[in-house]
Amino acid sequence: DIVMTQTPLSLSVTPGQPASISCKSSQSLLHSDGQAYLYWYLQKPGQSPQLLIYEVSSRFSGVPDRFSGSGSGTDFTLKISRVEAEDVGVYYCMQGIHLYTFGQGTKLEIK
Amino acid sequence: VQLVESGGGLVKPGGSLRLSCAASGFSFSSYSMNWVRQAPGKGLEWVSSISSSSSYIYYADSVKGRFTISRDNAKNSLYLQMNSLRAEDTAVYYCATAKAFDIWGQGTMVTVS
Repeated sequence: DIVMTQTPLSLSVTPGQPASISCKSSQSLLHSDGQAYLYWYLQKPGQSPQLLIYEVSSRFSGVPDRFSGSGSGTDFTLKISRVEAEDVGVYYCMQGIHLYTFGQGTKLEIK
Repeated sequence: VQLVESGGGLVKPGGSLRLSCAASGFSFSSYSMNWVRQAPGKGLEWVSSISSSSSYIYYADSVKGRFTISRDNAKNSLYLQMNSLRAEDTAVYYCATAKAFDIWGQGTMVTVS
């Protein structure tokens, strides 16, 4: 089974400052079709998760451009260029190359 | 585009429950579907997936042999039959669309106690 490890598990960010979350997989997420199946979700307090980024770096419809994803192979990163109050919640990465596995989650709070 | 789960509730260990997910606003029959659960205060756990025509079905090891996923494309509905329920199955159960889990429902709570 593929294990997804996120760091940090929590972070506190001043509004307007950047934030970065790392996600490492125990196996390469690069498929033979050339695509890497790594996704990022945000679960805001009291809400269902919502898709932010698909296939490493593509923003889902309606997601602000302050969110960006990067990485390859086993190392991936979600970056928020300027954190806003509405970005609070728990961020999860997920691999989709061999069934599905979520990371433990990273809780983002505002200072 | 909307997903609405139902069927959750309180059940005793060893009991059964059938969850439903009603889809609207998109071509349900064209997309694979998934179930994901979240135990109280915990993270997300993938449970099961089914392809658009039900040809391919997958389960997490934690539910294999106890849970059965199915769908009715004519009714735009996804189901999860849960048997031999255990305390550790207590969670909010979400349905989500497609390989990217694009759209999620609001979830339905299952309590095994």
